[in-house]
Amino acid sequence: AIRITQSPSSLSASTGDRVTITCRASQGISSYLAWYQQKPGKAPKLLIYAASTLQSGVPSRFSGSGSGTDFTLTISCLQSEDFATYYCQQYYSYPVFGPGTKVDIK
Amino acid sequence: QVQLQESGPGLVKPSETLSLTCTVSGGSVSSGSYYWSWIRQPAGKGLEWIGYIYYSGSTNYNPSLKSRVTISVDTSKNQFSLKLSSVTAADTAVYYCARGADGYVRKSWFDPWGQGTLVTVSS
Repeated sequence: AIRITQSPSSLSASTGDRVTITCRASQGISSYLAWYQQKPGKAPKLLIYAASTLQSGVPSRFSGSGSGTDFTLTISCLQSEDFATYYCQQYYSYPVFGPGTKVDIK
Repeated sequence: QVQLQESGPGLVKPSETLSLTCTVSGGSVSSGSYYWSWIRQPAGKGLEWIGYIYYSGSTNYNPSLKSRVTISVDTSKNQFSLKLSSVTAADTAVYYCARGADGYVRKSWFDPWGQGTLVTVSS
């Protein structure tokens, strides 16, 4: 099975900061990666698919990059509503999610 | 727009079978463009894909759960269902249903998701 790691597991940031989260796959997955945002008590919300394609309606401050084994999610200018947990998911083989990165207020 | 809603018992006894249903509105489970999945999340932990079904009845399950999982579809009711047998406390989680984006390849991202339903396994 393909294993997914995320780093960091948590981070503290301030509104306006640029935030980068990394997702690494245990083997090459081309661009078969999605990113989700989850707030407490809510279902995950799709942000990005195919590693870098922004889902309709998602603010342009979110961006994704990478291919193969290493991927990043970047929030260019953190807003108050962005404090949440972020998960990556590979779909090269049966779906596997990363362990999550919690972004909280510094 | 498509909406998904999970329903079913919130409490299941150990060794029994967990049964949940996902009702789809604003779209059809018979659409060949999509497929339909179950995903779960224990409290404070990450997400685990359970399995999917396509409108034709074709299924695929997480190898770690395959021996205990059955997913079925009822196109007449626009619903799909999950059964997980021989449950233990480790199966306590929020269970989500979600739509898979690409019904032809059936390897894709998930959007939208249902709101989730908490199932507790306890005697």
